[in-house]
Amino acid sequence: EDKVVQSPLSLVVHEGDTVTLNCSYEVTNFRSLLWYKQEKKAPTFLFMLTSSGIEKKSGRLSSILDKKELFSILNITATQTGDSAIYLCAAAYNAGNMLTFGGGTRLMVKP
Amino acid sequence: NAGVTQTPKFQVLKTGQSMTLQCAQDMNHEYMSWYRQDPGMGLRLIHYSVGAGITDQGEVPNGYNVSRSTTEDFPLRLLSAAPSQTSVYFCASRPSGGANYEQYFGPGTRLTVT
Repeated sequence: EDKVVQSPLSLVVHEGDTVTLNCSYEVTNFRSLLWYKQEKKAPTFLFMLTSSGIEKKSGRLSSILDKKELFSILNITATQTGDSAIYLCAAAYNAGNMLTFGGGTRLMVKP
Repeated sequence: NAGVTQTPKFQVLKTGQSMTLQCAQDMNHEYMSWYRQDPGMGLRLIHYSVGAGITDQGEVPNGYNVSRSTTEDFPLRLLSAAPSQTSVYFCASRPSGGANYEQYFGPGTRLTVT
């Protein structure tokens, strides 16, 4: 059965802290791993990772994929209250036509 | 560009009623998909389409029908609504071809079935 598991389920930190979110996956014919941020509405795209060991960065956010161990992490440094959201990871497979999402990590950043 | 649009934003149905959730995109994307999101869960794929006239099932297709007569539109039909279909429904699209699997999501439709 194809599955994606995220941990922790939820996290409460203070502004300025660094957080690491985890995503493990097990899908057939894996293509890529995607990270999304979801605030009150639709998910918005953060990163897509296809190759192992190559870090992608965007400001205070970074992510890396390990295709041998089948996991990815999303790091957020110097967190801000605006980072409060649900973070979703998804594995793309079946020629990229299907995405299986994890259950998400709910991050709350307190002032 | 409006991107991906969905109507209605909210809907309440009684058990057994049918309805169609509308989704349209103006980005000329060939690939479109429907997801449902239940509380505390990630998104689950209902149906997807790789182009006009082509549809396929996702993880949770039962109780839903789709069709794709144009590139722009991808409606989702609930044939006989059940309380288990209470959820938030998201439509998404992306270009086909290449290796970019980023999907653009619509704002969602919150459906309650009583």
